[in-house]
Amino acid sequence: DQQVKQNSPSLSVQEGRISILNCDYTNSMFDYFLWYKKYPAEGPTFLISISSIKDKNEDGRFTVFLNKSAKHLSLHIVPSQPGDSAVYFCAASAGTSGTYKYIFGTGTRLKVLA
Amino acid sequence: DTGVSQDPRHKITKRGQNVTFRCDPISEHNRLYWYRQTLGQGPEFLTYFQNEAQLEKSRLLSDRFSAERPKGSFSTLEIQRTEQGDSAMYLCASSLAAYQETQYFGPGTRLLVL
Repeated sequence: DQQVKQNSPSLSVQEGRISILNCDYTNSMFDYFLWYKKYPAEGPTFLISISSIKDKNEDGRFTVFLNKSAKHLSLHIVPSQPGDSAVYFCAASAGTSGTYKYIFGTGTRLKVLA
Repeated sequence: DTGVSQDPRHKITKRGQNVTFRCDPISEHNRLYWYRQTLGQGPEFLTYFQNEAQLEKSRLLSDRFSAERPKGSFSTLEIQRTEQGDSAMYLCASSLAAYQETQYFGPGTRLLVL
């Protein structure tokens, strides 16, 4: 039962263009969503988060959009840089249910071409 | 700036042996989480502590697994009678308890069971 899905295992983008990574979820109790970046042999690094009461959050080159009715979130990276090449995971939690664990998607490998 | 640290970073063991991993969280963080990540998957929740109390355990955590956080600071995860299926990256994360919190991950311990 995959509650958080990242349907694109990989994505290639030219340097300077926009990268759009997508994530879908099924559990309507999720109220907090996050994106992490992971390099090989390292732990996930927090990028950006969004609460379910918002539909957009921006931090520098990174913007996360949340569409609750569609149960869909996306991460936009503009402009993309070669250093952004990594695996990106979306995660969700349901604090209103009294559980703070994260449920992760399977990841999207982003390659930014110079 | 000390983040989450984990020791060892790599462990190779033979089937049937016991192994123990250590996690040192960010110093002021009162929640500590253990996740497991296998190839091609996102991290999967195992268990978490708030201070020294273990508040939630996943069904993934069989009776061969035990975790402790005796003084509410560092934590250990022990696997008894290891099996080849235990081979994975074991990730530790910590956070400041909040309704919508951000978890910060360590570099992980990669376990290989031969």
